[in-house]
Amino acid sequence: AQTVTQSQPEMSVQEAETVTLSCTYDTSESNYYLFWYKQPPSRQMILVIRQEAYKQQNATENRFSVNFQKAAKSFSLKISDSQLGDTAMYFCAFMKHDSGNQFYFGTGTSLTVIP
Amino acid sequence: DAGVIQSPRHEVTEMGQEVTLRCKPISGHDYLFWYRQTMMRGLELLIYFNNNVPIDDSGMPEDRFSAKMPNASFSTLKIQPSEPRDSAVYFCASSLRGRPFHNEQFFGPGTRLTVL
Repeated sequence: AQTVTQSQPEMSVQEAETVTLSCTYDTSESNYYLFWYKQPPSRQMILVIRQEAYKQQNATENRFSVNFQKAAKSFSLKISDSQLGDTAMYFCAFMKHDSGNQFYFGTGTSLTVIP
Repeated sequence: DAGVIQSPRHEVTEMGQEVTLRCKPISGHDYLFWYRQTMMRGLELLIYFNNNVPIDDSGMPEDRFSAKMPNASFSTLKIQPSEPRDSAVYFCASSLRGRPFHNEQFFGPGTRLTVL
């Protein structure tokens, strides 16, 4: 079974600062996908960034970037220049490449950006 | 596309009543997922479909829960009879295998269910 661990239930960061959310996963698969989703107070789940395991280059999307360490099975999310709108729950998710598109979600990290 | 559509957005019912949640996936998507989110248990996968066929329903908590997908554009999650511990936010998500979205799941806005 695949497990995804987010060890930081809550975090806070000052506006304009940088914060890193951690995620580790356990799998015997060699090819898979990793995702970070954001859930603001509106409850809508929004994809932040994705990473394909066969790609060595870390994914980036504007202020969001990941540090993907395949050997360590680590997939952390870095948010630069934090904004008040980044306040949300962040979920890390894992998907096997040859599967039914099923995601395995972590328990989430609640991030608060402080003005 | 309007995205994944769920109805109702809020549902308040009394214990013992039947509840039906509805979902319209994004057109062309071949996977549909039902999730339940609570403070205690986080985000749980209940069941998912591929091309309208249920693939894994191991997350369905009890026989009181059932899900159907009669066609590619509609799915229901039914709880009968409902209990207070079923109170949660229920999400529907859909995805398309492969490119261009690389299996990203698109979520609906959720249905907040309260069972009194």
